[in-house]
This record gives sequence, C-alpha cells and structure tokens, in this order.
Amino acid sequence: QKEVEQNSGPLSVPEGAIASLNCTYSDRGSQSFFWYRQYSGKSPELIMSIYSNGDKEDGRFTAQLNKASQYVSLLIRDSQPSDSATYLCAVIGRSGNTPLVFGKGTRLSVIA
Amino acid sequence: NAGVTQTPKFRILKIGQSMTLQCTQDMNHNYMYWYRQDPGMGLKLIYYSVGAGITDKGEVPNGYNVSRSTTEDFPLRLELAAPSQTSVYFCASRGPGVNEKLFFGSGTQLSVL
Repeated sequence: QKEVEQNSGPLSVPEGAIASLNCTYSDRGSQSFFWYRQYSGKSPELIMSIYSNGDKEDGRFTAQLNKASQYVSLLIRDSQPSDSATYLCAVIGRSGNTPLVFGKGTRLSVIA
Repeated sequence: NAGVTQTPKFRILKIGQSMTLQCTQDMNHNYMYWYRQDPGMGLKLIYYSVGAGITDKGEVPNGYNVSRSTTEDFPLRLELAAPSQTSVYFCASRGPGVNEKLFFGSGTQLSVL
C-alpha cells in the first residue's frame, strides 16, 4: 500500500510568518509530487508541483523535494489569513497509469 | 471549456437506495478518477480509469461500481447505500504525463440516512 503521510495539524502561524508543511511518502519510485490547497467546502486546487530534488519557488510558495529521504515540503512565506486552508500532499508513482495518492492534509490557520 | 462537471451537487439517500453520480469532462483526458473525502480527512481513491473500457479498483471500492464507455463520461454507481457512504465525492481527470495536474469537479455532498 503506497502511503503519503502528513501531520494533520492544525498548524497555526501569525500573519506574515513562514508556514512550513511537511509530507513523507513510502514509494521510493515516486516521480511527481503535488501540493493542493483546499478551502472548506471546495474542490482541491493545485498550487505547486515538483519533480526534481531541490527547491522550486513560485511567488510566496516554495516546494522542496528530497527523494533520498522521501520527503517533500511546502513553505509559505509572508503568510496571509487567506492562506488558511487544508493543504494536501499528493504523489504519483513511476508510471503515468498509477493514480495520485493523497495524504490526509494539514490544516493551516493564519492568525491576523 | 467546462472542465470536469459533476452532478448532482447534493443528494440525500435512504439506506438501501441506489444512485449514480455523473461525471463528464471535455478535455479529452484518458485518466479519470473518483475520490471520496470524509470530514477532516484526505482523498481516498474509489475507482479509476486509464481510458475508455478500462477501469480499476482504488483503495475503497466496496459498495461502488463504475463504467467507462466513452472518454468523456465516468459515472459512479452506489448500490444499496449505507451510512458509511456519507461523504463528499470528487471526480477528477488529467492528461497523460506523470507531471499532469488533476482537474477536479465541484464535488457531490452525499448523505445516507
């Protein structure tokens, strides 16, 4: 059973701080890694994807991947109250035919 | 471009009733998925399809059935509804590469009473 583990939170950070969200995965052959944001009552929306070891930055968001440690993280700089949501880590295996496996999500609360 | 369309948005079933959740996409995606999400939890895969005529079980397939007669449509059938099937159901699709993102439908809130 391929697994994706996340701390369910809630993670509370003050406005303007850096929020750090972490995810580990069990399938060493996993190729692609995604972070989805989900507001309450809404569908998940993709905010970051990463495929190679290292960092990938997009605006206030940075995704970090370490395949040797089977670890992927998401940093949110200058956190805003509008960032308050559940963040889902998703992983896809070595074949495009394998479905994405999602973690349980981390609930982030940014306090104004 | 409508993307992924799910119907209905809300439904209340009585125990033992059956229903079909409809999902259609207009992006010519081969890969389609059904997930369920229980309160405070992540997405659990029910069934998926890699193309018309091909379906496979996910993590939680019991109590559900699917068919994929066309590329566009991927309906999910609930037979003999049980309270444990109360959940939010999401249909999703994506393109062929491993780097392709998922496009989600708006979800169906199902309650079985």
